[in-house]
Order: sequence, then C-alpha cells, then structure tokens
Amino acid sequence: GESVGLHLPTLSVQEGDNSIINCAYSNSASDYFIWYKQESGKGPQFIIDIRSNMDKRQGQRVTVLLNKTVKHLSLQIAATQPGDSAVYFCAENIDNYGQNFVFGPGTRLSVLP
Amino acid sequence: DGGITQSPKYLFRKEGQNVTLSCEQNLNHDAMYWYRQDPGQGLRLIYYSQIVNDFQKGDIAEGYSVSREKKESFPLTVTSAQKNPTAFYLCASSTLQGTGELFFGEGSRLTVL
Repeated sequence: GESVGLHLPTLSVQEGDNSIINCAYSNSASDYFIWYKQESGKGPQFIIDIRSNMDKRQGQRVTVLLNKTVKHLSLQIAATQPGDSAVYFCAENIDNYGQNFVFGPGTRLSVLP
Repeated sequence: DGGITQSPKYLFRKEGQNVTLSCEQNLNHDAMYWYRQDPGQGLRLIYYSQIVNDFQKGDIAEGYSVSREKKESFPLTVTSAQKNPTAFYLCASSTLQGTGELFFGEGSRLTVL
C-alpha cells in the first residue's frame, strides 16, 4: 500500500526473484492508470498503463493487475534486475486530461545481489 | 531525440529571490505541466497549460507563476512569496487526445539557502 510522510515503503528483493508493488487508488471513477519508474535524481519514466475495462496487461517483464472492486493496482516485475532499483509510483485519472492525474507517493524497490 | 529538457538541474537561491526554471519540449505536445515533488509525497500540480497564452492554476499555485508564450516552452518562476520552495520540480507534457500519458523531464532541484 501507500503511505504519506517522509518515508517511502521499501520492498527489498533478491536479484532474479519476482517483485510485486502495490497501489491503492482513491477514486472509483478513475478509468486510466499508469505505473512510473523514477530513479534517484531523475524524472519519472512510463512503464505500463491500463484502462479500467481491463484487469490485466502485460509488457516486457512487467504485468499490471487492476482490481476495481477494492480499488487496487499492482505492478509485477519478473526476474528483477539491479537496474530495476528505483521508486515506483502509480497514477490514476478519470479522463484523458493530464491535469487530472493523481499520483501515489511510491514504493522504493531495492534489488539485493 | 524528442523529449523534455529542464534546466538548470540544480539551483540554489537565497531567501527573497525569485528564480525561473526552464522547460522546453520538442514533442509537439499541446499541454504542459509543472509538478512539485517532496520526499514521501505524490506529485502535486502547480500549473498547467493546454494552449499557448493560456494557463491554469493547479493544486498548489501560490507563490509560483508561469508563462506560455510558445508551444514548446513553459517556464516556472518560484517567487519569494513561496514559503517553502526547496523541492524537486518536474515539468511534463502530453497530447490533449488519446491516452493522456504524461512525459516528464529530468527535473530541477531547487534549494533555498
């Protein structure tokens, strides 16, 4: 889940294991969701998106699952690599206008050798 | 390569001074945005613009000003009225149609001494 305040939740995984990062979104009317990856001192990078008419979408090594019943989004990373270490955050939107995105604070993924 | 360029990457300011952060995009996007990122919090919208010579306040516009004289450029001025300006500032852009995905710059870190 997400938290507010100065400290991000941290997920530590062994290199090669799968990672699951969770996000609880706030608006039941949201119909578009994005996962971003942000490395230290850099801007967020798009990973994968999903619309509310889907419950699963797969990319390269990543899968996003959407559970609208409980307003929950998850990002699964297969065979986690050191380069996956970053902060991951979700964004929700009720329409296609960028100013309406709501962002979670993120989860820090730490990949252990 | 198409993208968003923010400058400077690091900026130090004395209290009482205004500073301007630059944001330029060559993605031919109509909409541009400024976000503020603080540790442990989700991105918060400062200002956005959907068309040249027009812009709208976001959630935390107080103490900030913007201009949109060209489609490619959306500079942000952090004024002396902003009580807690030390933060990481992110510029983004998007189309007005389609997915509405936000493309981010690499960010500017402002520190007030």
